[in-house]
Amino acid sequence: QVQLQESGPGLVKSSETLSLTCNVSGGSINNGNYYWSWIRLPAGKGLEWVGRFYIHGKTYYNPSLRSRVTISGDTSKNQFSLRLNSVTAADTAVYYCARSGYSHGEFDYWGQGIRVTVSS
Amino acid sequence: DIQMTQSPSSLSASVGDRVTITCRASQSISRFLNWYQHKPGKAPQVLIYGATNLQSGVPFRFSGSGSGTDFTLTISSLQPEDFATYYCQQSFITPSMNTFGQGTKLEIK
Repeated sequence: QVQLQESGPGLVKSSETLSLTCNVSGGSINNGNYYWSWIRLPAGKGLEWVGRFYIHGKTYYNPSLRSRVTISGDTSKNQFSLRLNSVTAADTAVYYCARSGYSHGEFDYWGQGIRVTVSS
Repeated sequence: DIQMTQSPSSLSASVGDRVTITCRASQSISRFLNWYQHKPGKAPQVLIYGATNLQSGVPFRFSGSGSGTDFTLTISSLQPEDFATYYCQQSFITPSMNTFGQGTKLEIK
C-alpha cells in the first residue's frame, strides 16, 4: 500500500520561502510509471496543481507559479520536496502531495495534507 | 491553457436522489478526464479515471461519461456519505500541466 506524508512548518512569514517534504512509502519515486506532484487547496477555492517530479530529476511546473517554485526528489530517502519562494497571503493553503499514473494521469494516492499559513 | 468549468458550483439534494455534475473543457481532451470526491479534513479520493473507468473500491452508484469537451459524473442514488465537494481534472497534457474544475459542493437538502 502506497502512503504519502507531508511535513514542514505550518507557518511561514510573508516574503520568505515555504519548504515542504513528502515522504513516500510502499512505492519508489524512481518508478517510471508514476509522477509525484504537489497540489494545494486555498481556503474557499478549488484545487490547484503546483508541479511534479519525475525520474531522472525531471520537473514540471504550473506556469502561474513557475518563477517561484522548485520541486526536487531524493531517491535515497524516497521523498520529494517543494520550495515556494517570496510567499504572500495568497499562498496560504492546504498542501497535498500525490502520485499520478503515467497512462491516465489520475491522482490515485494522496497525503493527508498540511495546512500552511503565510503571516505578515 | 486548458480551462475546466464545472456546473453547478453547488447543489442541494436528498438521500436517494439521482445527481448529475457536468464538466466542460475549453478544448478537446479526448477521454483524459478524472473525477474526485473531497471531504473536509481528508485527502481527495479518485472516483473515475479516463472519463468512464470506476476506480477500484468505489461504489457502483458512481459513473462517468463523455469525451472531447463535455463530461458528466452521475451518482445514481445518493447516500449520506456522498455529501462532499466533487472536482473534475484534465490529464490530457500531463506531465506539463494539470487543471481542476472549480468544484461542485453537494449538500443535503
